[in-house]
Amino acid sequence: DGGITQSPKYLFRKEGQNVTLSCEQNLNHDAMYWYRQDPGQGLRLIYYSQIVNDFQKGDIAEGYSVSREKKESFPLTVTSAQKNPTAFYLCASRFQETQYFGPGTRLLVL
Amino acid sequence: GDSVTQMEGPVTLSEEAFLTINCTYTATGYPSLFWYVQYPGEGLQLLLKATKADDKGSNKGFEATYRKETTSFHLEKGSVQVSDSAVYFCALSDEAGGTSYGKLTFGQGTILTVHP
Repeated sequence: DGGITQSPKYLFRKEGQNVTLSCEQNLNHDAMYWYRQDPGQGLRLIYYSQIVNDFQKGDIAEGYSVSREKKESFPLTVTSAQKNPTAFYLCASRFQETQYFGPGTRLLVL
Repeated sequence: GDSVTQMEGPVTLSEEAFLTINCTYTATGYPSLFWYVQYPGEGLQLLLKATKADDKGSNKGFEATYRKETTSFHLEKGSVQVSDSAVYFCALSDEAGGTSYGKLTFGQGTILTVHP
């Protein structure tokens, strides 16, 4: 069953803590993306990767980091430098012109 | 830069009513256009798309036509159901390849509520 999985569904972060959100796909797509969604707003691009071992900053990369060591995986780390991390985070992969999304991770601050 | 503007919501309709959600865009080149739907607590699902001018995307009774002359991609459905209640996002993708990277630019979303 092909698709994109994100884990965990909910994540809690304490002050000063780094947390990592998982994104895995078995669609054999080269390009992957991370978006942030805030209430009542559209999605904003955090980072993207067009190929393994390569990634670029999107529109709101400050306070975030990523890695792309495997084609299937594109984890996002929310660092302590991100002062307002509470949001819904969505991962996507792209085939031709279309992006396909995972179910999302909701990050909350304790 | 690229931008997408959706009609302001929320939109509330009775079952079997006609739906239109307006979407206009600003972009250079020849973007692809999309409608995504998001149900509460879930990720985005692709509803339909169009990749060139005058193309019509359709799925599950929803339709949208890529109008380059009016830079629009309005979403329509002839008879909505309660199960259509969700948030709808219009988006455009710049051309992937070369210096582009297939970035999606989203509208702010339109909340649709359908009552029985």
